[in-house]
Amino acid sequence: AQSVTQLDSQVPVFEEAPVELRCNYSSSVSVYLFWYVQYPNQGLQLLLKYLSGSTLVESINGFEAEFNKSQTSFHLRKPSVHISDTAEYFCAVSATGGTSYGKLTFGQGTILTVHP
Amino acid sequence: DTAVSQTPKYLVTQMGNDKSIKCEQNLGHDTMYWYKQDSKKFLKIMFSYNNKELIINETVPNRFSPKSPDKAHLNLHINSLELGDSAVYFCASSQASGWNSPLHFGNGTRLTVT
Repeated sequence: AQSVTQLDSQVPVFEEAPVELRCNYSSSVSVYLFWYVQYPNQGLQLLLKYLSGSTLVESINGFEAEFNKSQTSFHLRKPSVHISDTAEYFCAVSATGGTSYGKLTFGQGTILTVHP
Repeated sequence: DTAVSQTPKYLVTQMGNDKSIKCEQNLGHDTMYWYKQDSKKFLKIMFSYNNKELIINETVPNRFSPKSPDKAHLNLHINSLELGDSAVYFCASSQASGWNSPLHFGNGTRLTVT
């Protein structure tokens, strides 16, 4: 079984400041990693994913995340945030095999609030 | 056009009642899911259907019964509602049931049991 821990429940930042949302996971098998974003009153949307290859993955709106296998982390970063980035962010993992294959396990979310 | 739509958006009901939540996707996806988000914001999978066939059934009370009349619809029926059923229920779909197909979520149904 897998588990995901998002270390910060809330992260307030000022506009144009950098931000890092932390995510750690545990699993007995190899995993694939995802970040989803949820804007108010909407469903979750995929932001970016790590499946294989380069450990640094990027989204179209300037977010990036780095898979660190030794530290079992997949932290999300953005060098300069906008007001529109205000949302809740969920880290998720999916096992590549075993009995948990095909199931997505989510962290409890981090609320990012960008202040002007 | 909404890709994954679920109704109703809000549902307030009393303990002991039976209620249904409907979900439809127009993405042509083969797999659909129900997730429950509790008060602590934990999202947990409940069920997954692939081409109308149940493939994931987590440890959910049998008061919860999913029904998939076709691969574009996955409804959730809940019998004898309890206070602990209060949560936000999300429907989702994906192109395939594997690990690498991103999920497309509906906007959620907030169920409040009084």
